[in-house]
Amino acid sequence: NAGVTQTPKFQVLKTGQSMTLQCAQDMNHEYMSWYRQDPGMGLRLIHYSVGAGITDQGEVPNGYNVSRSTTEDFPLRLLSAAPSQTSVYFCASSYSVTLNTEAFFGQGTRLTVV
Amino acid sequence: ELKVEQNPLFLSMQEGKNYTIYCNYSTTSDRLYWYRQDPGKSLESLFVLLSNGAVKQEGRLMASLDTKARLSTLHITAAVHDLSATYFCAVDLGTSYGKLTFGQGTILTVHP
Repeated sequence: NAGVTQTPKFQVLKTGQSMTLQCAQDMNHEYMSWYRQDPGMGLRLIHYSVGAGITDQGEVPNGYNVSRSTTEDFPLRLLSAAPSQTSVYFCASSYSVTLNTEAFFGQGTRLTVV
Repeated sequence: ELKVEQNPLFLSMQEGKNYTIYCNYSTTSDRLYWYRQDPGKSLESLFVLLSNGAVKQEGRLMASLDTKARLSTLHITAAVHDLSATYFCAVDLGTSYGKLTFGQGTILTVHP
């Protein structure tokens, strides 16, 4: 059982470049989300989705786009990378909270913008 | 705006000692989660606390939730080196599914 799979694991971008971080889950979870982790700040929510075709902004959405065309996939797009976007990015998925389950996290993507 | 604060942020313990990590949050919620993260790794779910007075235990770790005080604790009993990691609490408002607000994390180091 793969769980939540993120690719790539590591990436270096030049300022102004664009790229897509991939996230896929095979647990048929309705909810998927993207977080960024910076030292001393915990994880902060970028965007989330409650189902295919439905997305919404989190705490730090600027500079990122998402879409959810299928239940399984939730890619995160950086439109024009900036050094401030250097971070570790985690994708997470979960069932409806009413089923009392926690969020499951992918292995993370370590992104450096130079 | 929901705020979640953990303390301490850094904890150095001797093996065999007990200690408690505190997680305070600013808005009423009855859904709180504890995660563990090893260096360079993903987050691993430890506990799911879904009601006032909930208490869960796994090995040397025990978590509790007091929704009236907006406080959760993670108690470590007789610490061992393998517990060295970063521990996060996270709160879900419940009305916005999947939207977790995390504390800053507590870096725990257990020394022989």
